[in-house]
Amino acid sequence: QVTLRESGPALVKPTQTLTLTCTFSGFSLHTSGMCVSWIRQSPGKALEWLALIDWGDDKNYNSSLQTRLTISKDTSRNQVVLTMTNMDPVDTATYFCARIQSPGYNSGWHYFDFWGQGAQVTVSS
Amino acid sequence: EIVVTQSPGTLSLSPGERATLSCRASQSVSVSYFAWYQQKPGKAPRLLIYGASRRAAGIPDRFSGSGSGTDFTLTISRLEPEDFAVYVCLAEFTFGPGTKVDLK
Repeated sequence: QVTLRESGPALVKPTQTLTLTCTFSGFSLHTSGMCVSWIRQSPGKALEWLALIDWGDDKNYNSSLQTRLTISKDTSRNQVVLTMTNMDPVDTATYFCARIQSPGYNSGWHYFDFWGQGAQVTVSS
Repeated sequence: EIVVTQSPGTLSLSPGERATLSCRASQSVSVSYFAWYQQKPGKAPRLLIYGASRRAAGIPDRFSGSGSGTDFTLTISRLEPEDFAVYVCLAEFTFGPGTKVDLK
C-alpha cells in the first residue's frame, strides 16, 4: 500500500525559508524508476508542479521557481525534502507530494499516481 | 513551456446526464504524457485516466478519455452523485485550471 504524508510549518513569515518533508511508504527510492514530486495549489488556482527527484538523485525544477527551490532525499528514511527560500504571501498554498514513475520504467506512461493529503502553508507576518 | 486550458470552466448538470470536458494544450503532447484527475474540496487529486484514454485502477467505466496532439476530452457517460467535483488535466508537468462539474 503506497502512502505519502507531508509535514512542515503551517505558518511562515515573508522572506523566511520553508522546509517541507514528504514521508512515504509502500515503495522505495532505491528502486529504479521511482520518483517523488512536489506540487502546490494556491487558493482558487491551478495545481503547479514544483520539483522532482528520482531514484538516481537527479533533480528537475519548475523553471520559474528553480532559483528558490531545493529538493533532496533521504532514501534510508523514505523521505523527500523540499526547501523554498524567500517566501512571499503569494506562496500561500497547499503543498502536495506525489509519486511518479519514470516513463522509461512505467511502460512509457507519465502520471502522478499516489498523492499525500497536502500541507497547508500560509505566508504572513 | 506548455500552457493548458480547460473548457468549460463550470458545467452544470444533473445526475444521469453526460458530461463532456475539454482540455487543450498550447503545443502537441504525447498521449503518454497526458492524464485526467478528479479533485474534491480539501482533497488531493485522484488519478482517473492516464495515457489520454486508459482508466486507472478502480475507476468506473463511465469515465473515458480520448484525444491526441493538443486536444483531449474526458467524458463521463452518466453522472453519479459522487462525480460532482473538479476535473483537472495534466500535460507533461503542466496542470490545467480545472472544470467544475456541479449540480444543476
